[in-house]
Amino acid sequence: QVQLQQWGAGLLKSSETLSLTCAVYGGSFSDYDWSWLRQSPGKGLEWIGEINHSGSTNHNPSLKSRVTISVDTSKNQFSLKLSSVTAADTAVYYCARGETGMVRGVMVYWGQGTLVIVSS
Amino acid sequence: EIVMTQSPATLSVSPGERATLSCRASQSVSNNLAWFQQNPGQAPRLLIYASSTRATGIPARFSGSGSGTEFTLTISNLQSEDFAVYYCQQYNNWPRTFGQGTKLEIK
Repeated sequence: QVQLQQWGAGLLKSSETLSLTCAVYGGSFSDYDWSWLRQSPGKGLEWIGEINHSGSTNHNPSLKSRVTISVDTSKNQFSLKLSSVTAADTAVYYCARGETGMVRGVMVYWGQGTLVIVSS
Repeated sequence: EIVMTQSPATLSVSPGERATLSCRASQSVSNNLAWFQQNPGQAPRLLIYASSTRATGIPARFSGSGSGTEFTLTISNLQSEDFAVYYCQQYNNWPRTFGQGTKLEIK
């Protein structure tokens, strides 16, 4: 059974760096893409970016300059850093497993979500 | 970026009836379209991918159709647990994008 468990700081101040980690249990870590998404009342669901086991990434251009996604294959974990946060970055952040091959981009398994609040 | 537009924003349907949700892409996404269901406080749950393929464990009353820019999610014989928010998502292009959601409520 595949499970994604995420954690990180839930309360930040403006200009700080958001940092979240997602651990993957079950399945082959190297056979999938690993994504970060977020959901806020104002912007709905937003895909932030993805990484594969070799470290190759794709990012949403709207956030690319502030986003770093990394992977630690020895721990079956991947992480998100978002720099210079503002109140607009307040959202529930999710990690997810993306399928590869013919259905690349389909996200079946998701983490439980982490509410991140940015205060000024 | 491909913009996904869902309609209606809210749909009121009685249990046992059929609900039809629409999703339009600003440019062709072929059949690379997924549908998710989300309940309050929970992560989205994949229902449909490749426009019409049900994910594992999804009941047959959920069906998807369409290709190119126009897609439909149909839920037949609505059950109480089906009243939730539904999102479409394209995975044909980067960045992956979602519609703004349709809230399916009990009439």
